Amino acid sequence: NAGVTQTPKFQVLKTGQSMTLQCAQDMNHNSMYWYRQDPGMGLRLIYYSASEGTTDKGEVPNGYNVSRLNKREFSLRLESAAPSQTSVYFCASREKQAFFGQGTRLTVV
Amino acid sequence: DQQVKQNSPSLSVQEGRISILNCDYTNSMFDYFLWYKKYPAEGPTFLISISSIKDKNEDGRFTVFLNKSAKHLSLHIVPSQPGDSAVYFCAASYSSASKIIFGSGTRLSIRP
Repeated sequence: NAGVTQTPKFQVLKTGQSMTLQCAQDMNHNSMYWYRQDPGMGLRLIYYSASEGTTDKGEVPNGYNVSRLNKREFSLRLESAAPSQTSVYFCASREKQAFFGQGTRLTVV
Repeated sequence: DQQVKQNSPSLSVQEGRISILNCDYTNSMFDYFLWYKKYPAEGPTFLISISSIKDKNEDGRFTVFLNKSAKHLSLHIVPSQPGDSAVYFCAASYSSASKIIFGSGTRLSIRP
C-alpha cells in the first residue's frame, strides 16, 4: 500500500547544481501536484498536471520545471539551485481528495 | 495575493473542549474545500471535505461548515484530544481535478 512515493527524502545541493525530485503514485490518479512548504507560508503550489501529457504552472513556478512522464510519475527539476529553493517539497496525487508523499527536505548551500 | 487565508497562526484548546479553526477564501469560483492535518516530518493527511452545494459535512468528531456568502469555512473538532495537536491546513479547488490552493496553516495545541 505505497500511495505516493517521493525520492530522495533528504538532499543537500550547492548553489548552481541541478537535481530532479521523483514522485510516483500507484492509485491510478489523473492529477498530480508539486508543493513546497516554508515556515509561515503554508503549502504553495509549484506545478500541477491535470492528466498525463499536460502540465500547468502554480503559484511559484519560477526556477522549476516538471515532467509528467506517464500516468504514475511526475518529476520536479531544479536546473540551477538557489538558496531560496531550500524547502520541504511535497508531491500529491488526486481524484477527489489529494494524497501526499512524505516529502523531500532540500537544502541549498 | 493569497486566495485562501488562515488568519490564526496558532490556537490552544483544553482537552475535551471544542476546537474551531477558521478559513477565508477570496475566489467565488472555488467549489470544493478540504481540510488537512500535518504532523512534523510527515506529509499532510486528508481530514474532511465539503462541496459548495452543501453547508455542513460531518465525520465523527470533525465537522466542516461552509458559508458561501461570507466566503468562510470552519473546522470544528469535538471533543479535542491530545492527538489532535498538529498543523491544520485549509484548501480550496475549482473542481475535483483542478489545482488545490492551500492556506498558511493553523498550529493547534491541545493542553491537558
